[in-house]
Amino acid sequence: AQTVTQSQPEMSVQEAETVTLSCTYDTSENNYYLFWYKQPPSRQMILVIRQEAYKQQNATENRFSVNFQKAAKSFSLKISDSQLGDTAMYFCAFMKPPFQGAQKLVFGQGTRLTINP
Amino acid sequence: NAGVTQTPKFQVLKTGQSMTLQCAQDMNHEYMSWYRQDPGMGLRLIHYSVGAGITDQGEVPNGYNVSRSTTEDFPLRLLSAAPSQTSVYFCASGSQRYNEQFFGPGTRLTVL
Repeated sequence: AQTVTQSQPEMSVQEAETVTLSCTYDTSENNYYLFWYKQPPSRQMILVIRQEAYKQQNATENRFSVNFQKAAKSFSLKISDSQLGDTAMYFCAFMKPPFQGAQKLVFGQGTRLTINP
Repeated sequence: NAGVTQTPKFQVLKTGQSMTLQCAQDMNHEYMSWYRQDPGMGLRLIHYSVGAGITDQGEVPNGYNVSRSTTEDFPLRLLSAAPSQTSVYFCASGSQRYNEQFFGPGTRLTVL
């Protein structure tokens, strides 16, 4: 079974700084999908960024980028120029290629990120 | 589009009571699922459905039932609530084209 580990339960940085959240996973699959979700105090789960394992290029979305190291099974999220609105719980998630339509996400434990003014 | 909607937002039950958490999506997604979120454990898959009339168990299915009679709706039933089911419940629907899921706003359930 796949497992996802986020080793940083909490992090705190100053506004405008860059912060990196760590995620490692365990799988025997060669192709899969990785995601970072943001959960602000409103509780809504928001997709931040996704990476497909067969793509070597790291995904980027504005201030958010990932460092995907397939051999090391590592998928870290970098937030540049952090803003107060980035304060949230961040979850790393893994998904095998859908089998018969099933898209099962496996989540890490989450990292609580606080951006200080 | 309303996306994924869930009702109620909050619910308090007594041990042994039953209830249904409602979930609906208007994106014509075939895949729908239920997760529970507990402190320090991330989200865990309860049940999922790949289309109307087709459901299957996830990682933590005990104590929960589901059915899928339409593409839009995927209710989650607690037949006899237990304190261990106190959690936040999320419904999600998935696009097969893009292999990504969209989550509802969640339901906070407390079982006394």
